[in-house]
This record gives sequence, C-alpha cells and structure tokens, in this order.
Amino acid sequence: AQSVTQLGSHVSVSEGALVLLRCNYSSSVPPYLFWYVQYPNQGLQLLLKYTSAATLVKGINGFEAEFKKSETSFHLTKPSAHMSDAAEYFCAVSGRDSSYKLIFGSGTRLLVRP
Amino acid sequence: KAGVTQTPRYLIKTRGQQVTLSCSPISGHRSVSWYQQTPGQGLQFLFEYFSETQRNKGNFPGRFSGRQFSNSRSEMNVSTLELGDSALYLCASSLDIVGGPYNEQFFGPGTRLTVL
Repeated sequence: AQSVTQLGSHVSVSEGALVLLRCNYSSSVPPYLFWYVQYPNQGLQLLLKYTSAATLVKGINGFEAEFKKSETSFHLTKPSAHMSDAAEYFCAVSGRDSSYKLIFGSGTRLLVRP
Repeated sequence: KAGVTQTPRYLIKTRGQQVTLSCSPISGHRSVSWYQQTPGQGLQFLFEYFSETQRNKGNFPGRFSGRQFSNSRSEMNVSTLELGDSALYLCASSLDIVGGPYNEQFFGPGTRLTVL
C-alpha cells in the first residue's frame, strides 16, 4: 500500500532563508509524486509533480523538489522564503494505474518570520 | 477557463439530516474526485468518477455516496449526518485522456460542512 510521511507539522523560517519541507513515500513501484499548497479557506494548488521524467522538478513560485529513489524521498525546497509562502503544504502520492486517487501526507504548516 | 466550482461554499446541518454537495469540473475534464479534509484525519480520498462511473472508492461508510452526470458534473451525498462528518469537502477534476500522460488534478475551493 502507498503512504506518505511528512516530517514536521510546523516549520518556521525567517524571510529570505532556505525552505526545506520533507516528504518520504512508501510504494512498491515508483509512483507519481506531488506537492500541493493550501492557503487559508482555499482549495489545494499544485506546486509541482514528478511523473518519472527529470528527477529534479521545478514548480511554481520558485519551489523545486528532487525525487530520490534510494531514499524514497521527495523533499520540497525554495532558496529564499517570502512572507507570501506562509501556508500549509501537502505531499501526495498516486499510483500508476488509471485512477487519480491521491494519498496525502499530514501536511506541514510553513511559518515565515519577518 | 473557469476553474472547479463547488456549491454551496458553506453549509450547516444537524445530526441525522442528509446533505448534497455539488461540483462542476473544468470544462473538458472527465475525471472528478472527492476528498474530505479534517484537522484530525487530514485529507482523505472519498471516491473518483470517470464518464459517469465510479472508478475508485476510499474507505468511507456507505452513508457517503456520489454520482457523476453526463456533463461531468458531480454530486456527493451524505446521509444520516454525524458530528464527525464536519469537514471541508474538496472536489478535484482532471483531463484524463485515455492512454495519455498523467494529468494533474485541479481542486475547487471546497464546501465547508458543519454538523451540529
């Protein structure tokens, strides 16, 4: 069965500092992996996705993530945090069958200090 | 192009009642999925519909049901509401071209259901 683990329910960084949000997955075959962001009272917005092309995936708003099969990880990074990055971030996994079922991690709330 | 729309945005019901939530996918999208988001359980998959057929189902009781219409619009119904059903219900749609590459899901703003 597939699963996703996000380490750290809350991460706090200073504005301009590196953002690192951790995600580890469990899957018997290489899955599709995603990072979504959720702002208060809104739905989820896709930041980036891994579908077995390049292992380093660039997304919107300056975010990127690297797929590391040996570590079963898909950590999200951004070189310099901005106040507007404060939100909740979800890592998700999907199988390579015809279904679009997403299994989400528990989420990480990013706080950005001025 | 309009995004995924969900109606109503907010809903208050009492225990034992039933509720119907509606989702209109992005034009041309044929796959619609539903998720429940709660502080305790996080985001959980409810079900997915494609071409009016339920293609996948999550681990929820039979009180939760859904359907999809020929125009790809979808509804979900919860009968005999319980306090624990209070949640944000999110709908997502995807293009899903058969045999094509994976297409990401686009989420609506959700319906906030409060059960009193």
